[in-house]
Amino acid sequence: DTAVSQTPKYLVTQMGNDKSIKCEQNLGHDTMYWYKQDSKKFLKIMFSYNNKELIINETVPNRFSPKSPDKAHLNLHINSLELGDSAVYFCASSQDRNVNYGYTFGSGTRLTVV
Amino acid sequence: GDSVTQMEGPVTLSEEAFLTINCTYTATGYPSLFWYVQYPGEGLQLLLKATKADDKGSNKGFEATYRKETTSFHLEKGSVQVSDSAVYFCALSSTGGFKTIFGAGTRLFVKA
Repeated sequence: DTAVSQTPKYLVTQMGNDKSIKCEQNLGHDTMYWYKQDSKKFLKIMFSYNNKELIINETVPNRFSPKSPDKAHLNLHINSLELGDSAVYFCASSQDRNVNYGYTFGSGTRLTVV
Repeated sequence: GDSVTQMEGPVTLSEEAFLTINCTYTATGYPSLFWYVQYPGEGLQLLLKATKADDKGSNKGFEATYRKETTSFHLEKGSVQVSDSAVYFCALSSTGGFKTIFGAGTRLFVKA
């Protein structure tokens, strides 16, 4: 049973389209995150939710909109996709908003915008 | 703001060689420190962590000691294997914040 699962694993789409990535965790964790990893492997936090409440909203274009229907799920919707959005997007979870426990990551969604 | 600096890669070693990947940090307060490992095509996995000064984190033969005086958390392994080839990320939890800040990653290649 995968602890943090993301779908889809690969996503190839054209510029201007709208797409969603889904994430689910079965660890009973309270807090979930979206990170973006660029082609040089640099990781940047985008959003975090704690028990369905948005607690981190970094400087991200407002074309990106997260949604957490319950504490086990965190989705990411992207409008009007651009070439620069191509990256690997990772979902992660932690026991609670105290990040000292460390994260459990999903296996990533590789988004390619053509 | 808080930041993490780790040595640039790639690091290429022969099997059974000694590994050191340097990591230094800048932070206010007393962050927790982590090493994560990312194997090809996979997500990051927590390798080890230390939550206070002089703590040593260890796992799978890897270890790192939280050195407050030098603001460092260097990763070491006495004898690497081909299966250790991966990208290694040093990270810190921002004090009073709710996020983890990652270094740029160091790619390790181990040759048989």
